[in-house]
Amino acid sequence: GESVGLHLPTLSVQEGDNSIINCAYSNSASDYFIWYKQESGKGPQFIIDIRSNMDKRQGQRVTVLLNKTVKHLSLQIAATQPGDSAVYFCAETFNDYKLSFGAGTTVTVRA
Amino acid sequence: DGGITQSPKYLFRKEGQNVTLSCEQNLNHDAMYWYRQDPGQGLRLIYYSQIVNDFQKGDIAEGYSVSREKKESFPLTVTSAQKNPTAFYLCASSNGNFETQYFGPGTRLLVL
Repeated sequence: GESVGLHLPTLSVQEGDNSIINCAYSNSASDYFIWYKQESGKGPQFIIDIRSNMDKRQGQRVTVLLNKTVKHLSLQIAATQPGDSAVYFCAETFNDYKLSFGAGTTVTVRA
Repeated sequence: DGGITQSPKYLFRKEGQNVTLSCEQNLNHDAMYWYRQDPGQGLRLIYYSQIVNDFQKGDIAEGYSVSREKKESFPLTVTSAQKNPTAFYLCASSNGNFETQYFGPGTRLLVL
């Protein structure tokens, strides 16, 4: 089975609000995590990554939090915009080059 | 799409036919990957290559073949042995182990 999963398959958020997308992983040996955004009919786009020696990493309007104790990863999007509507995937590496992906969370931004 | 191109955007396959999907990158990345994505699901690894003239099977390699004769190219052939080929195929590349993978725009394969 999959070692990476997202808590909710869909998330509806009001434009301007903050979004939080959660991801649970099962392999405690994983040491690199990535968040991707995929718009309909397109390839996944890199958003932000974090290594296991960090708890938090910030980018432009996005923050990734890693809690190794409970094997939980989250992506926070500040001031969500209509262009943020997409499917978001978390991925982890625990075996050299291989990434393991969850099924994704579909984020819909309401105007 | 960061310097990774895939062609064609749409591809139609007839029963018993082999088809080849193209993937080219100009990022000078050593590693390249092929994933399959089915509706509502995450990505599953088909094959990957860490270096020219070398490649390894991923989780769902049956019915597929690859080659890596050049650093910038990693074509995927969907053979007639793949009984359920309809999917969205994504190529990616990275600068090595534990580095971010960057994806191409994808090829949607449909069976006639």
